Amino acid sequence: DTGVSQDPRHKITKRGQNVTFRCDPISEHNRLYWYRQTLGQGPEFLTYFQNEAQLEKSRLLSDRFSAERPKGSFSTLEIQRTEQGDSAMYLCASSLVGTNEKLFFGSGTQLSVL
Amino acid sequence: QKEVEQDPGPLSVPEGAIVSLNCTYSNSAFQYFMWYRQYSRKGPELLMYTYSSGNKEDGRFTAQVDKSSKYISLFIRDSQPSDSATYLCAMRIAGKSTFGDGTTLTVKP
Repeated sequence: DTGVSQDPRHKITKRGQNVTFRCDPISEHNRLYWYRQTLGQGPEFLTYFQNEAQLEKSRLLSDRFSAERPKGSFSTLEIQRTEQGDSAMYLCASSLVGTNEKLFFGSGTQLSVL
Repeated sequence: QKEVEQDPGPLSVPEGAIVSLNCTYSNSAFQYFMWYRQYSRKGPELLMYTYSSGNKEDGRFTAQVDKSSKYISLFIRDSQPSDSATYLCAMRIAGKSTFGDGTTLTVKP
């Protein structure tokens, strides 16, 4: 068990550019989540997958955000036409679905939009 | 109003003190109740997980859930400087967890 891995750890981009983040979950976990966290706030739910199916997406999520999990393993989160308000820590978590489902988080990708 | 409200802190206590961290929630459909610890620039780490009213103990940590009052607490006994972190409560319905905004705790030697 190598834990949840996120890449890159840090991303600095200019407003208007597209960025893509990758998450590799714990290998046997079938659920994968994306959260966003800003300073002084708790993680905010963005979306989650069970295997390759995207089961829920936050109503607050702009159309500029898209996530995929094509083969039910790793996932990517893309933000198009970044804005300064997108600056945040993007957290990925994974879990094994079941009664005692527990989330395991990665260390996150810190995005700074200049 | 947020679904999950957490005492904002910050909280500063001397080493050895008992710490009480609290959250309230408004959605009675929440099924599972968690406490996470988060160090600076790291992802949250699960500390405690409960799904029923009552107390659950794990070492120096006790999680308490009162569904009738929609109130959860985390108690830390004999607090240590290594407990200094941000503590997040979270509640889950089906696959989605909703987090509080965290309480930053500092334990002074």
